[in-house]
Amino acid sequence: QQQVKQSPQSLIVQKGGISIINCAYENTAFDYFPWYQQFPGKGPALLIAIRPDVSEKKEGRFTISFNKSAKQFSLHIMDSQPGDSATYFCAARYGGATNKLIFGTGTLLAVQP
Amino acid sequence: NAGVTQTPKFRVLKTGQSMTLLCAQDMNHEYMYWYRQDPGMGLRLIHYSVGEGTTAKGEVPDGYNVSRLKKQNFLLGLESAAPSQTSVYFCAARMGQGEQYFGPGTRLTVT
Repeated sequence: QQQVKQSPQSLIVQKGGISIINCAYENTAFDYFPWYQQFPGKGPALLIAIRPDVSEKKEGRFTISFNKSAKQFSLHIMDSQPGDSATYFCAARYGGATNKLIFGTGTLLAVQP
Repeated sequence: NAGVTQTPKFRVLKTGQSMTLLCAQDMNHEYMYWYRQDPGMGLRLIHYSVGEGTTAKGEVPDGYNVSRLKKQNFLLGLESAAPSQTSVYFCAARMGQGEQYFGPGTRLTVT
């Protein structure tokens, strides 16, 4: 059972366009929702994160929108660039001592020049 | 990926062979994690440690063992490798409520 569902599996966007990746979760015990960016041959790196008491967080061209009642959150990449081409993972973290992350299945983004 | 290193980067094993993957961190982080990454399945937690001398099972622990004898090192062992363990393995480290820092990964193929 996938605790964090991510869509789409792949996405092609033209340079300058908006990339949107969606995630949904069920467990209300999650207390932190990060997005990771991974380039080929590299480990994932934290891109941006949000807590459930905030509905939106923006860092540069990257924005997380969070809908607590719907248990959904999404990543928006404005003015997408070829350098944004990567795999993006959403995740959700259990609170408490272990702070385990549960990852979505990933979205492969290709930004065409 | 600064601060978390993984050894080796690549490895090919035959079914039934054993090996140990090493994760080392120089950030003095308490928490360390081992994940495997497979196409279409994201990253799945194998085992984790909340401090030196402690380990716990994650989502997919079967076929793997771990040890955290020193705070800076977290070892992942495969006692009898199987083709189903062909994957890319990532180690991560975290301090407190901070972010997880991932290593560069180990690509393992079991034939």
